Amino acid sequence: KQEVTQIPAALSVPEGENLVLNCSFTDSAIYNLQWFRQDPGKGLTSLLLIQSSQREQTSGRLNASLDKSSGRSTLYIAASQPGDSATYLCAFPMNSGYSTLTFGKGTMLLVSP
Amino acid sequence: NAGVTQTPKFQVLKTGQSMTLQCAQDMNHEYMSWYRQDPGMGLRLIHYSVGAGITDQGEVPNGYNVSRSTTEDFPLRLLSAAPSQTSVYFCASSYSGRAEAFFGQGTRLTVV
Repeated sequence: KQEVTQIPAALSVPEGENLVLNCSFTDSAIYNLQWFRQDPGKGLTSLLLIQSSQREQTSGRLNASLDKSSGRSTLYIAASQPGDSATYLCAFPMNSGYSTLTFGKGTMLLVSP
Repeated sequence: NAGVTQTPKFQVLKTGQSMTLQCAQDMNHEYMSWYRQDPGMGLRLIHYSVGAGITDQGEVPNGYNVSRSTTEDFPLRLLSAAPSQTSVYFCASSYSGRAEAFFGQGTRLTVV
């Protein structure tokens, strides 16, 4: 069974800092990896999807990388802003082709003005 | 573009009552799933469907039923609500097994 770990569980930084969120997994035979953002009391918003054939994806100030051999993915947030405060979740497909996801427990990020 | 729509947003049930959580998507996605989110447990898969007429169980299916009569809708039924089913429920859809998943805004259910 795929195990997904996100470190740190919580992170507090001042505005403007660059930061890295980590996601590790036990089964390297993954098909893709998706990073989500969840605001308190809200649903999940997809941020980035990396296919297994890719090493990274970028969207604005966000960059996600995938290293299957080491079982790690990182989400890099450049020049953090208070609006980035949220919980960030990584997720992997449980089974081949079904797009049902195994989630990490998330990193709760607080960016202070 | 509505995406994935869940209703209701909030619900309080008494133990033993039944109800249906609605999920609809307008993206013509074949794959739909239901998850529950609990503090300290993360999101866990309840049931999923890979197309109309096809459903299967996930990690925590007990106490829940699903059916998929159309591509657009994937309702989740609680037959006899229990306090252990107090949770936030999310519906998700995707175009294919390896495509980006999109989530609804969630239904916060309290069973008393």
